Amino acid sequence: DTGVSQDPRHKITKRGQNVTFRCDPISEHNRLYWYRQTLGQGPEFLTYFQNEAQLEKSRLLSDRFSAERPKGSFSTLEIQRTEQGDSAMYLCASSLDRSTDTQYFGPGTRLTVL
Amino acid sequence: EDQVTQSPEALRLQEGESSSLNCSYTVSGLRGLFWYRQDPGKGPEFLFTLYSAGEEKEKERLKATLTKKESFLHITAPKPEDSATYLCAVQAGLVFGKGTKLTVNP
Repeated sequence: DTGVSQDPRHKITKRGQNVTFRCDPISEHNRLYWYRQTLGQGPEFLTYFQNEAQLEKSRLLSDRFSAERPKGSFSTLEIQRTEQGDSAMYLCASSLDRSTDTQYFGPGTRLTVL
Repeated sequence: EDQVTQSPEALRLQEGESSSLNCSYTVSGLRGLFWYRQDPGKGPEFLFTLYSAGEEKEKERLKATLTKKESFLHITAPKPEDSATYLCAVQAGLVFGKGTKLTVNP
């Protein structure tokens, strides 16, 4: 399968714990995006990378959230001191080079904070 | 601020009953309008990209059209397997609508 992959698919954690998610984009794609989706809502943009550079962050990305894409390939999204309000589906998408290029999504990581 | 509004929120159709989903948008300079399909518990699956008013794209039973203020996703003779949530989005850090949950009854 050469699509976008995400790991883990499901994560259950206790409030206050740190969690890290991984995203592997389509191999020739230079742009990588992170979104968050809660039940009944469309995905909400969090941040994106052009190669290894993080170029934009949403106001939704609080200080407890950090994303990296160290070598311009896979990316990680870390949430520190998780809160119940962080429970959501975290989606990763990738695209070629331009802002107008189509984004292809991975299967998502479902986070549940108890 | 870029905004996307989708209607209706939910739609129930009988198999073979054609209909349309609406996506109204407000953006400062459209850089692309995207339609996705999302099944429960899965990531959005790409359907169409439209870039300019008057553009149309078609795939099997689906046809997407675009005007300067809205886009329509027309579903012709739907089947039960077309049941899903259909999402519309604009721009690059995509701004999504809430989606239309489509249910097609056999």
